[in-house]
Parts: sequence; structure tokens; C-alpha cells
Amino acid sequence: RKEVEQDPGPFNVPEGATVAFNCTYSNSASQSFFWYRQDCRKEPKLLMSVYSSGNEDGRFTAQLNRASQYISLLIRDSKLSDSATYLCVVNLGGYQKVTFGTGTKLQVIP
Amino acid sequence: EAQVTQNPRYLITVTGKKLTVTCSQNMNHEYMSWYRQDPGLGLRQIYYSMNVEVTDKGDVPEGYKVSRKEKRNFPLILESPSPNQTSLYFCATMGGQGSSGGYEQYFGPGTRLTVT
Repeated sequence: RKEVEQDPGPFNVPEGATVAFNCTYSNSASQSFFWYRQDCRKEPKLLMSVYSSGNEDGRFTAQLNRASQYISLLIRDSKLSDSATYLCVVNLGGYQKVTFGTGTKLQVIP
Repeated sequence: EAQVTQNPRYLITVTGKKLTVTCSQNMNHEYMSWYRQDPGLGLRQIYYSMNVEVTDKGDVPEGYKVSRKEKRNFPLILESPSPNQTSLYFCATMGGQGSSGGYEQYFGPGTRLTVT
């Protein structure tokens, strides 16, 4: 089983739609969780951290489910500019091992 | 402006010709890391460094060397590049608990390497 698994997509959604991605992780000792956004051939950039209590940043909501070992990202009112690959990142804690998912590609269609 | 820089951004070279990709950061971060990204495989860690003179292997270290003589610099060295090292390379830093409480990474712009 991969340490971090994501559905590669692509998810093709119309503008204005709500879309959700899930990411599962295998190591129950994982401490920190993040979503990064990566545009084609560019560097990954932090989108948001993921807390047990859930967190929201504008149209983006992230959730963590420790019992089932997955994190999710919800994007509401999708914009064309949201088209990108979304990487799930899991950290064992501090400077310990950081593992990236292979990413989920989102394409928002006019 | 806080940033991570890499050079060169693009490089085409031939098998066996030694090369170095530089990485520099101005954030005073202790942790630096190198990744390669290949289609379908995602980001895989090559080497990382917890501080000056402290380096360790990541998941795919074969064929690569690194050094950390100064806090701000973390060059990646390919002593004898081979075609299977053709990839997109990213340098990253991590500076401890960010505003989110987690250990966030900051990436350089990437180096696209082609070995023929």
C-alpha cells in the first residue's frame, strides 16, 4: 500500500461547481497534513494546512479524519484559475519524513 | 522577499558529464531538501539536510551527492549523469512550525534536466 494515495483524476468540472478530493495515508503516526497546489511545470505552493477541527479559507475547506486516515479538500464555486494539480502532503512530525501524494488534477471548464 | 532560488532552470547535458544544480534560500531555514518529480511517480525525496554539515539520504539517493557547507546553500551534484536522471528537480526548505502550526515547505522554481 502506498504511504499517501490520491485519485489522479483528471476531474473535469464546470465553472461554479463544487468538487472534493480525498487523500488516504497509511501511517497512523502522521502528525501534519497539507494541501499544495501545483500548476503545470511550476513549483508546488502551499494551499492550506489541515487540522483535526477542519479549516476553511474562502472557497476552500480542508478536513482531517484520523480514524479513517484520510484528508479531504473541498472547493466551492470553482473558478477557471483553480485548474491545477492538488498534492496531498503528510508529515510524520517536525523534520521527520514528509511524503507527497502523486496529485489530483483538476480542470475547470468554462 | 523570502525565496528559494535554483540554477540553472533548464539544462541539457550528455551522459557522464558532471553537473551541479545550485539551491539557495534567504529564510535562514535549517532544513533543506531535494526532490525529483516524474510523471505518475510524484515528488520523491533525493537527499535532505537538517543543518550545516548534516545530510541524509531520502528515498532515491542513488547517483546523487549533496553538500551543506553553509546554511543558505544546498547544491545537488550528479557526478556521472545518466538518461534515467532526466527529470524535474525541486529544492525545498522547511523552517519549523509555521503560522499554521505545521512544518510547511517552500519550493524553488525547479530545474528541468535532460540527460542524453
